[in-house]
Amino acid sequence: SSELTQDPAVSVALGQTVRITCQGDSLRTYYASWYQQKPGQAPVLVIYGKNNRPSGIPDRFSGSSSGNTASLTITGAQAEDEADYYCNSRDSSGYRHFFGTGTKVTVL
Amino acid sequence: QLQLQESGPGLVKPSETLSLTCTVSGGPISSSTYYWGWIRQPPGKGLEWIGSMYYSGSSYYNPSLKSRVTISVDTSKNQFSLKVSSVTAADTAIYYCARGTSDFDYWGQGTLVTVSS
Repeated sequence: SSELTQDPAVSVALGQTVRITCQGDSLRTYYASWYQQKPGQAPVLVIYGKNNRPSGIPDRFSGSSSGNTASLTITGAQAEDEADYYCNSRDSSGYRHFFGTGTKVTVL
Repeated sequence: QLQLQESGPGLVKPSETLSLTCTVSGGPISSSTYYWGWIRQPPGKGLEWIGSMYYSGSSYYNPSLKSRVTISVDTSKNQFSLKVSSVTAADTAIYYCARGTSDFDYWGQGTLVTVSS
């Protein structure tokens, strides 16, 4: 199946921890990648593979996976983390991508 | 530093073909390490993968768009292109080009394409 389901919105108090989840059958085979998108900007890759951060991404971002669910955790959320977050995976071919429905994170 | 820049018409008429080019600077497009893709985002909505092209010349497309989409690469110009035929208002979106390694690690700033008569 090429569907990835995310909660539409979550909120977190400044400095607290928030977990964003992504569910889909493909996640039993492929790790999810995670993208952060702020208003008016292009998406930015924040987590890929098992739990890898591209250069420049703060270590408060981490990823994990279990069964058909992938999670992105922000430990000690900052005001600048307020954004939309999208998970991404591949279909059984390994070459066709698809994105999750997106989660809007609000930092209170 | 790698940079990607989309270019093309911002307005396309219904039933015509949308054509966009992504110019890559700061690195070669002809590398077996990378693949090149297009992603779009309708106003106020989520991301949709359109397709990707690999160094081998193989291309892969979103099944929902496959019959209307073509991605090609021009290594002499360090560019890759997107064509979407028979467009409708539903194709109105911000179109992003991106480089893939395991995932899309570099993105262009995006370009808004509106389909309207």
